[in-house]
Amino acid sequence: GIQVEQSPPDLILQEGANSTLRCNFSDSVNNLQWFHQNPWGQLINLFYIPSGTKQNGRLSATTVATERYSLLYISSSQTTDSGVYFCAVAPSGGSYIPTFGRGTSLIVHP
Amino acid sequence: DTAVSQTPKYLVTQMGNDKSIKCEQNLGHDTMYWYKQDSKKFLKIMFSYNNKELIINETVPNRFSPKSPDKAHLNLHINSLELGDSAVYFCASSQAIRNQPQHFGDGTRLSIL
Repeated sequence: GIQVEQSPPDLILQEGANSTLRCNFSDSVNNLQWFHQNPWGQLINLFYIPSGTKQNGRLSATTVATERYSLLYISSSQTTDSGVYFCAVAPSGGSYIPTFGRGTSLIVHP
Repeated sequence: DTAVSQTPKYLVTQMGNDKSIKCEQNLGHDTMYWYKQDSKKFLKIMFSYNNKELIINETVPNRFSPKSPDKAHLNLHINSLELGDSAVYFCASSQAIRNQPQHFGDGTRLSIL
């Protein structure tokens, strides 16, 4: 099946800092989402972005499908950004099995 | 209105028991999923149904049996619970099986004593 690698696995920031999270995948995809799992365990949709660039407030994401990666940018981080960020993909061809990366655990200190 | 709702939120039970988790979505979606999140936070798909038809069954022990009475509901029944079944189970839905974002419920934390 498709392989999904996220980096870095852990990230510690001071409030106000910017960061970039990366998701690499091993095959062409037609479905890519970024999620934030907050400290209460809820999975929050951030972006549905199989290709291109999107922005939502302090967050933006870019997927370069031809090069098989996606980036999530967090600017001016806040303590409420803490949690785990997951990338999830599904391959374009063959059997459709949605696959999650192992996540980036982010802690933002005040 | 909660888009994807799961009940119960917490389930604590003894090894060997049988339990069910219910999921309902009010988004009008055709596709529903069950995921398992282990203690290391890894999320893995278990099942997917499209229009009440099973389309994904990912090497899950047959003690786990999903049931979809209609497009808006996907329940998960687990027989003879084992310690290794302790996890958070997430239900999700999407408008179609391909090219559509998934929307997740808040999860059910299952603890086996």
